[in-house]
Amino acid sequence: DAKTTQPTSMDCAEGRAANLPCNHSTISGNEYVYWYRQIHSQGPQYIIHGLKNNETNEMASLIITEDRKSSTLILPHATLRDTAVYYCIVRPLNNNDMRFGAGTRLTVKP
Amino acid sequence: NAGVTQTPKFQVLKTGQSMTLQCAQDMNHEYMSWYRQDPGMGLRLIHYSVGAGITDQGEVPNGYNVSRSTTEDFPLRLLSAAPSQTSVYFCASSTGVWETQYFGPGTRLLVL
Repeated sequence: DAKTTQPTSMDCAEGRAANLPCNHSTISGNEYVYWYRQIHSQGPQYIIHGLKNNETNEMASLIITEDRKSSTLILPHATLRDTAVYYCIVRPLNNNDMRFGAGTRLTVKP
Repeated sequence: NAGVTQTPKFQVLKTGQSMTLQCAQDMNHEYMSWYRQDPGMGLRLIHYSVGAGITDQGEVPNGYNVSRSTTEDFPLRLLSAAPSQTSVYFCASSTGVWETQYFGPGTRLLVL
């Protein structure tokens, strides 16, 4: 019961932007949208999070729709090292029980 | 800082054996948690702790015990290992219950 829906897999050409969608239509007003990724056999790595506004950091941008029912993670210039499983997680403000779903397996191709 | 460290990296157990998975962090984080990840699936929360002396159950706590005697350490105990506990175990920590979690490299456990 991860409360999010993501495509199972996506491909992206190296150097192009990777846009990973996530649906979270039942999100509540006090829930954040978090993105993590997991490169093969490693621990999950934090990417970015947001509540209402769009966010940007050195790794990625997060675009959240005005109704907050969906979001998109953008990797502006994907590299081969960005190949990983990307998890979109909805997390309540008052606890840290992060429910990971199956995620999206992004493959960046040369 | 070493961040979040986990030992061992890999362990094989026989059914019924007990063992402790170690997790330590040197970031003075109050919040620590344990997850398991089964093949092709996301992570599921086993137990968590909001500070020394305080622990609570997550989504899948059965068969596991935890304690938090210090801020730095959060061991996970398997009392009587079962094949269903074959999984990859990740420990995570954060400055507070509402803050971003940082994960360790994982422990791969095989129960025969």
